[in-house]
Amino acid sequence: AQSVAQPEDQVNVAEGNPLTVKCTYSVSGNPYLFWYVQYPNRGLQFLLKYITGDNLVKGSYGFEAEFNKSQTSFHLKKPSALVSDSALYFCAVRPNFGNEKLTFGTGTRLTIIP
Amino acid sequence: GAGVSQSPSNKVTEKGKDVELRCDPISGHTALYWYRQRLGQGLEFLIYFQGNSAPDKSGLPSDRFSAERTGESVSTLTIQRTQQEDSAVYLCASSSRLAGTLTDTQYFGPGTRLTVL
Repeated sequence: AQSVAQPEDQVNVAEGNPLTVKCTYSVSGNPYLFWYVQYPNRGLQFLLKYITGDNLVKGSYGFEAEFNKSQTSFHLKKPSALVSDSALYFCAVRPNFGNEKLTFGTGTRLTIIP
Repeated sequence: GAGVSQSPSNKVTEKGKDVELRCDPISGHTALYWYRQRLGQGLEFLIYFQGNSAPDKSGLPSDRFSAERTGESVSTLTIQRTQQEDSAVYLCASSSRLAGTLTDTQYFGPGTRLTVL
């Protein structure tokens, strides 16, 4: 069975500073990894995914994530945080076989301080 | 183009009542998923429909939960004899495999917030 850990419930970053939201995973076989963002009273929005190839994946709103197989991590990053980045972020994984259902982490609440 | 829509947006019910939650996927999407999000927790997979294949029901927590999908269109999640622990946000997602890609991207609806009193 697969699992995702987001070790930080809450991350606070000053506006303009770089941000990192951490994610580690456990899965049989090779992973497909995803990041989603959830704004208040709205559904999840897709940010980016890693399937294969380059370990650095670029996504929406200037976010990127780095796949590290040896550390089984897929941390989300952004060079310069905006106040509008404040939201709840979810990491998800599925193995590269079987159906498409995703296993999600418990989420990290990111707050950007003006 | 329209995204995934869900109705109702909020539902308050009494313990023991049955509820039906509706999901309208993105037109043309062959796959449809239901997830549950309890307060302060991640999403739990409930059920997955793919085309005309038998659904993957492995995430349904009890036999009080069931879901149907008509072809590649609307899906209904039914919870019978609701319990307080069923209170959560129920999220629907849909996806479609693009030619030459290895996996779908799931697109989520806004969810239905269910409160069982």
